[in-house]
Amino acid sequence: DVKVTQSSRYLVKRTGEKVFLECVQDMDHENMFWYRQDPGLGLRLIYFSYDVKMKEKGDIPEGYSVSREKKERFSLILESASTNQTSMYLCASGQGQTDTIYFGEGSWLTVV
Amino acid sequence: SQQGEEDPQALSIQEGENATMNCSYKTSINNLQWYRQNSGRGLVHLILIRSNEREKHSGRLRVTLDTSKKSSSLLITASRAADTASYFCARTGGYNKLIFGAGTRLAVHP
Repeated sequence: DVKVTQSSRYLVKRTGEKVFLECVQDMDHENMFWYRQDPGLGLRLIYFSYDVKMKEKGDIPEGYSVSREKKERFSLILESASTNQTSMYLCASGQGQTDTIYFGEGSWLTVV
Repeated sequence: SQQGEEDPQALSIQEGENATMNCSYKTSINNLQWYRQNSGRGLVHLILIRSNEREKHSGRLRVTLDTSKKSSSLLITASRAADTASYFCARTGGYNKLIFGAGTRLAVHP
């Protein structure tokens, strides 16, 4: 079975903390994505990566960075968490240009 | 960014009834993917339909695609309470990025 695993389901962090959200896929996929989902705003793409050490900005990259040192792992980094980054974060992966994209279970981040 | 629209935004039906959700988009597509999301959970992939396909089935699910109208529909037949969820369509952009619609919230009452 296809597996995209997000390491943390629920996190509570303080304003100004550095936050790491980890995502691992076991399908040898080239492409990996980070989305955030907010009520009324839907799913918005933060960053994506199409290869190891490659990254591209999505629609809302401000305040975030990413790391992809290994093909199976894609990390989202909040350098200095702020309350407006309280959200549900979803990692996804896929192969090629037109194949199915698979999602993880999501990480609920609360910044206080 | 949301570049598709789902219709209706919310749908409430009784168990056993069929549920139809529609999705429109503005630009040409390679494929369209439908997902289900239970409250507070991740997205579960339902069906991928390619631009050269008109209809696909998976169990009680049927997806149609009309590229001339830039629209797709998801039909759930004989709905169950467990089908209660939000349903999203997403078209594929460059690098296989997904561009989502706002989703339809389906409530199936026993």
